[in-house]
Amino acid sequence: DAKTTQPTSMDCAEGRAANLPCNHSTISGNEYVYWYRQIHSQGPQYIIHGLKNNETNEMASLIITEDRKSSTLILPHATLRDTAVYYCIVRGNNNDMRFGAGTRLTVKP
Amino acid sequence: GAGVSQSPSNKVTEKGKDVELRCDPISGHTALYWYRQRLGQGLEFLIYFQGNSAPDKSGLPSDRFSAERTGESVSTLTIQRTQQEDSAVYLCASSRPRDRGRGYTFGSGTRLTVV
Repeated sequence: DAKTTQPTSMDCAEGRAANLPCNHSTISGNEYVYWYRQIHSQGPQYIIHGLKNNETNEMASLIITEDRKSSTLILPHATLRDTAVYYCIVRGNNNDMRFGAGTRLTVKP
Repeated sequence: GAGVSQSPSNKVTEKGKDVELRCDPISGHTALYWYRQRLGQGLEFLIYFQGNSAPDKSGLPSDRFSAERTGESVSTLTIQRTQQEDSAVYLCASSRPRDRGRGYTFGSGTRLTVV
Protein backbone atom coordinates (compact mmCIF):
# COMPACT_ATOMS: atom_id res chain seq x y z
CA ASP A 1 0.00 0.00 0.00
CA ALA A 2 1.10 3.54 -0.74
CA LYS A 3 2.32 5.58 2.21
CA THR A 4 0.88 8.96 3.11
CA THR A 5 2.37 12.15 4.51
CA GLN A 6 0.35 14.54 6.66
CA PRO A 7 1.24 17.55 8.80
CA THR A 8 1.60 16.67 12.45
CA SER A 9 -0.82 19.31 13.67
CA MET A 10 -3.08 22.14 12.52
CA ASP A 11 -5.28 24.75 14.13
CA CYS A 12 -8.57 26.11 12.82
CA ALA A 13 -10.95 28.80 14.08
CA GLU A 14 -14.43 27.67 14.98
CA GLY A 15 -16.87 28.27 12.11
CA ARG A 16 -14.14 28.44 9.49
CA ALA A 17 -13.28 25.75 6.97
CA ALA A 18 -10.60 23.26 7.98
CA ASN A 19 -8.46 22.05 5.07
CA LEU A 20 -6.34 19.02 5.88
CA PRO A 21 -3.75 18.04 3.26
CA CYS A 22 -2.37 14.60 2.50
CA ASN A 23 0.38 13.55 0.11
CA HIS A 24 0.28 10.08 -1.42
CA SER A 25 2.68 10.38 -4.33
CA THR A 26 3.16 6.60 -4.75
CA ILE A 27 -0.53 5.78 -4.97
CA SER A 28 -1.41 3.19 -7.61
CA GLY A 29 -4.40 3.10 -9.91
CA ASN A 30 -6.57 0.77 -7.87
CA GLU A 31 -5.97 2.37 -4.49
CA TYR A 32 -8.63 4.47 -2.83
CA VAL A 33 -8.04 7.40 -0.48
CA TYR A 34 -9.79 7.06 2.87
CA TRP A 35 -10.10 9.52 5.71
CA TYR A 36 -10.84 8.61 9.31
CA ARG A 37 -10.79 10.64 12.47
CA GLN A 38 -10.24 9.72 16.08
CA ILE A 39 -11.70 11.78 18.83
CA HIS A 40 -10.02 11.43 22.20
CA SER A 41 -10.58 8.05 23.87
CA GLN A 42 -12.68 6.66 21.01
CA GLY A 43 -12.01 4.30 18.12
CA PRO A 44 -11.41 5.82 14.67
CA GLN A 45 -14.49 6.89 12.75
CA TYR A 46 -14.92 6.74 8.98
CA ILE A 47 -15.34 10.12 7.29
CA ILE A 48 -15.15 9.77 3.52
CA HIS A 49 -13.32 8.01 0.72
CA GLY A 50 -12.72 8.43 -3.01
CA LEU A 51 -10.84 7.10 -6.00
CA LYS A 52 -10.33 10.02 -8.36
CA ASN A 53 -13.45 12.16 -8.34
CA ASN A 54 -14.15 14.70 -5.64
CA GLU A 55 -16.59 13.44 -3.04
CA THR A 56 -18.93 15.12 -0.58
CA ASN A 57 -21.07 13.79 2.23
CA GLU A 58 -22.72 15.16 5.34
CA MET A 59 -19.44 15.30 7.21
CA ALA A 60 -16.87 16.57 4.75
CA SER A 61 -15.61 17.02 1.20
CA LEU A 62 -12.67 15.22 -0.35
CA ILE A 63 -10.71 16.89 -3.12
CA ILE A 64 -8.29 14.64 -5.01
CA THR A 65 -5.80 16.16 -7.44
CA GLU A 66 -5.96 15.08 -11.06
CA ASP A 67 -2.70 13.13 -10.77
CA ARG A 68 -4.00 11.58 -7.52
CA LYS A 69 -0.75 12.30 -5.74
CA SER A 70 -2.42 14.38 -3.07
CA SER A 71 -5.79 15.12 -1.54
CA THR A 72 -7.45 17.54 0.84
CA LEU A 73 -10.14 16.87 3.38
CA ILE A 74 -12.39 19.86 3.93
CA LEU A 75 -14.58 20.37 6.97
CA PRO A 76 -16.66 23.33 5.75
CA HIS A 77 -17.64 24.83 9.10
CA ALA A 78 -15.45 23.43 11.84
CA THR A 79 -16.86 23.11 15.33
CA LEU A 80 -15.14 22.43 18.63
CA ARG A 81 -16.33 18.83 18.38
CA ASP A 82 -14.25 18.38 15.23
CA THR A 83 -11.08 18.53 17.31
CA ALA A 84 -9.49 15.13 16.64
CA VAL A 85 -6.67 13.28 14.93
CA TYR A 86 -7.39 12.90 11.21
CA TYR A 87 -5.89 9.96 9.32
CA CYS A 88 -5.40 9.81 5.57
CA ILE A 89 -4.97 6.26 4.25
CA VAL A 90 -4.64 4.69 0.84
CA ARG A 91 -6.08 1.25 0.48
CA GLY A 92 -5.89 -1.32 -2.28
CA ASN A 93 -7.54 -4.60 -3.07
CA ASN A 94 -5.97 -6.49 -0.21
CA ASN A 95 -8.53 -4.93 2.14
CA ASP A 96 -5.74 -3.94 4.48
CA MET A 97 -5.55 -0.48 5.99
CA ARG A 98 -2.42 0.90 7.63
CA PHE A 99 -2.73 4.05 9.71
CA GLY A 100 0.02 6.64 10.01
CA ALA A 101 0.38 9.25 12.73
CA GLY A 102 -2.30 11.52 11.26
CA THR A 103 -2.90 15.25 11.73
CA ARG A 104 -3.99 16.56 15.10
CA LEU A 105 -6.60 19.23 14.32
CA THR A 106 -7.46 21.66 17.08
CA VAL A 107 -10.53 23.83 16.55
CA LYS A 108 -10.29 26.98 18.63
CA PRO A 109 -13.15 29.24 19.74
CA GLY B 1 -24.86 -6.66 16.94
CA ALA B 2 -25.05 -3.06 15.77
CA GLY B 3 -21.38 -2.37 16.27
CA VAL B 4 -18.03 -3.92 17.07
CA SER B 5 -17.93 -4.93 20.71
CA GLN B 6 -14.73 -5.29 22.70
CA SER B 7 -14.24 -6.62 26.19
CA PRO B 8 -13.09 -5.83 28.72
CA SER B 9 -13.09 -2.07 28.24
CA ASN B 10 -10.30 -1.73 30.80
CA LYS B 11 -7.81 -4.27 32.08
CA VAL B 12 -5.12 -3.82 34.69
CA THR B 13 -2.69 -6.70 35.02
CA GLU B 14 0.55 -7.45 36.75
CA LYS B 15 3.73 -7.75 34.76
CA GLY B 16 4.32 -11.35 33.71
CA LYS B 17 0.66 -12.36 33.66
CA ASP B 18 -1.21 -13.43 30.54
CA VAL B 19 -4.21 -11.46 29.26
CA GLU B 20 -6.93 -12.23 26.75
CA LEU B 21 -8.83 -9.54 24.90
CA ARG B 22 -12.05 -10.22 23.06
CA CYS B 23 -13.61 -8.74 19.93
CA ASP B 24 -17.12 -9.40 18.60
CA PRO B 25 -17.31 -8.07 15.03
CA ILE B 26 -20.40 -6.91 13.19
CA SER B 27 -22.43 -9.84 11.91
CA GLY B 28 -21.56 -10.57 8.29
CA HIS B 29 -18.20 -8.85 8.45
CA THR B 30 -15.68 -11.46 7.36
CA ALA B 31 -12.64 -9.25 7.79
CA LEU B 32 -11.34 -8.49 11.28
CA TYR B 33 -8.33 -6.44 12.35
CA TRP B 34 -6.44 -5.77 15.55
CA TYR B 35 -4.49 -2.56 16.16
CA ARG B 36 -2.50 -1.25 19.10
CA GLN B 37 -2.36 2.40 20.07
CA ARG B 38 0.11 3.61 22.66
CA LEU B 39 -0.60 6.85 24.48
CA GLY B 40 -0.35 9.82 22.15
CA GLN B 41 0.63 7.72 19.16
CA GLY B 42 -1.01 6.47 15.98
CA LEU B 43 -2.51 3.06 15.29
CA GLU B 44 -0.10 0.16 14.92
CA PHE B 45 -1.35 -2.77 12.83
CA LEU B 46 -1.13 -6.14 14.57
CA ILE B 47 -3.05 -8.83 12.69
CA TYR B 48 -5.74 -9.27 10.05
CA PHE B 49 -8.22 -12.12 9.51
CA GLN B 50 -10.15 -12.58 6.27
CA GLY B 51 -12.64 -15.45 6.19
CA ASN B 52 -10.93 -18.83 6.09
CA SER B 53 -7.67 -17.48 4.68
CA ALA B 54 -4.48 -17.64 6.70
CA PRO B 55 -4.26 -14.53 8.87
CA ASP B 56 -1.76 -11.77 8.17
CA LYS B 57 0.32 -11.77 11.33
CA SER B 58 3.00 -9.44 10.04
CA GLY B 59 2.29 -6.75 12.63
CA LEU B 60 2.58 -8.87 15.78
CA PRO B 61 5.49 -7.37 17.74
CA SER B 62 6.73 -10.58 19.38
CA ASP B 63 5.91 -14.24 19.90
CA ARG B 64 4.20 -13.28 23.15
CA PHE B 65 1.33 -12.01 21.02
CA SER B 66 -1.15 -14.33 19.32
CA ALA B 67 -4.68 -14.11 18.03
CA GLU B 68 -7.38 -16.52 17.03
CA ARG B 69 -10.69 -16.21 15.33
CA THR B 70 -13.55 -18.68 15.41
CA GLY B 71 -14.95 -18.86 11.90
CA GLU B 72 -16.20 -15.43 10.98
CA SER B 73 -17.15 -14.35 14.46
CA VAL B 74 -15.36 -13.74 17.73
CA SER B 75 -11.64 -13.08 17.90
CA THR B 76 -9.34 -13.17 20.90
CA LEU B 77 -5.97 -11.47 21.19
CA THR B 78 -3.71 -13.08 23.77
CA ILE B 79 -0.63 -11.48 25.26
CA GLN B 80 1.57 -13.80 27.29
CA ARG B 81 3.96 -12.71 30.02
CA THR B 82 2.86 -9.10 29.75
CA GLN B 83 5.42 -6.32 29.95
CA GLN B 84 4.93 -2.66 30.83
CA GLU B 85 5.59 -1.75 27.19
CA ASP B 86 2.40 -3.66 26.30
CA SER B 87 0.33 -0.97 28.01
CA ALA B 88 -1.85 0.54 25.29
CA VAL B 89 -5.36 0.64 23.89
CA TYR B 90 -6.05 -2.41 21.74
CA LEU B 91 -8.55 -1.67 18.99
CA CYS B 92 -10.51 -4.14 16.91
CA ALA B 93 -12.21 -3.35 13.62
CA SER B 94 -14.28 -5.34 11.14
CA SER B 95 -15.43 -4.89 7.56
CA ARG B 96 -17.18 -6.71 4.75
CA PRO B 97 -14.88 -8.39 2.26
CA ARG B 98 -13.61 -6.08 -0.48
CA ASP B 99 -15.70 -3.35 1.14
CA ARG B 100 -15.49 -0.16 -0.86
CA GLY B 101 -18.13 1.49 1.25
CA ARG B 102 -17.59 2.81 4.71
CA GLY B 103 -14.50 0.77 5.29
CA TYR B 104 -13.78 -0.37 8.78
CA THR B 105 -15.97 -0.10 11.84
CA PHE B 106 -13.97 0.15 15.03
CA GLY B 107 -14.80 -0.91 18.53
CA SER B 108 -14.14 1.34 21.51
CA GLY B 109 -11.03 -0.60 22.41
CA THR B 110 -9.59 -2.29 25.49
CA ARG B 111 -7.29 -0.15 27.58
CA LEU B 112 -4.57 -2.43 28.94
CA THR B 113 -2.38 -1.28 31.80
CA VAL B 114 0.51 -3.46 32.90
CA VAL B 115 1.78 -2.60 36.38
